[in-house]
Amino acid sequence: GENVEQHPSTLSVQEGDSAVIKCTYSDSASNYFPWYKQELGKRPQLIIDIRSNVGEKKDQRIAVTLNKTAKHFSLHITETQPEDSAVYFCAASIYGNNRLAFGKGNQVVVIP
Amino acid sequence: GAVVSQHPSRVICKSGTSVKIECRSLDFQATTMFWYRQFPKQSLMLMATSNEGSKATYEQGVEKDKFLINHASLTLSTLTVTSAHPEDSSFYICSISTANYGYTFGSGTRLTVV
Repeated sequence: GENVEQHPSTLSVQEGDSAVIKCTYSDSASNYFPWYKQELGKRPQLIIDIRSNVGEKKDQRIAVTLNKTAKHFSLHITETQPEDSAVYFCAASIYGNNRLAFGKGNQVVVIP
Repeated sequence: GAVVSQHPSRVICKSGTSVKIECRSLDFQATTMFWYRQFPKQSLMLMATSNEGSKATYEQGVEKDKFLINHASLTLSTLTVTSAHPEDSSFYICSISTANYGYTFGSGTRLTVV
């Protein structure tokens, strides 16, 4: 099955700086890559996703890039704010297959 | 987007008792729902796929007799943790998948077995 690796496990950034989280996946058939933000004790919230027919997607301060050849995708958060502090999970699946494989998560801490 | 309601949000039970968790899809008929378990500071691990009107599909290592899943309607799936033990204490989350909104998660259930 799909195996998703996520690095680094913890990331601390100064407020206003950028944060980048990288994930790799193993199944070349995967074509859907969502990113979730999870605050303590709450449900994961989808913040951005990308399908394999595009290489980059941006939504305000958040962007995701995808390299299908290398089988990795990254989350970019610019102008970080304290409220961006959370655990971020990447995931991969074959869209419509319904099996979503998660990375281990990344604790992002934005230092005011 | 799709809305998924999960109940209860927190439950404390005694060791050896059973606990039922409900997952409702409020505005989408879900033939399939997913149950995840999340231990502290860990990722979400898929436990099983709940299929409306048929048996659930369990992931390797998940005991189907311990984690009973019932998906009796297109809007409701239940997970029953039977004979709960302290090691079953975890955050349990359900989700659905829709073509338009991707995966939507329930609010989660914090189970503590004492």
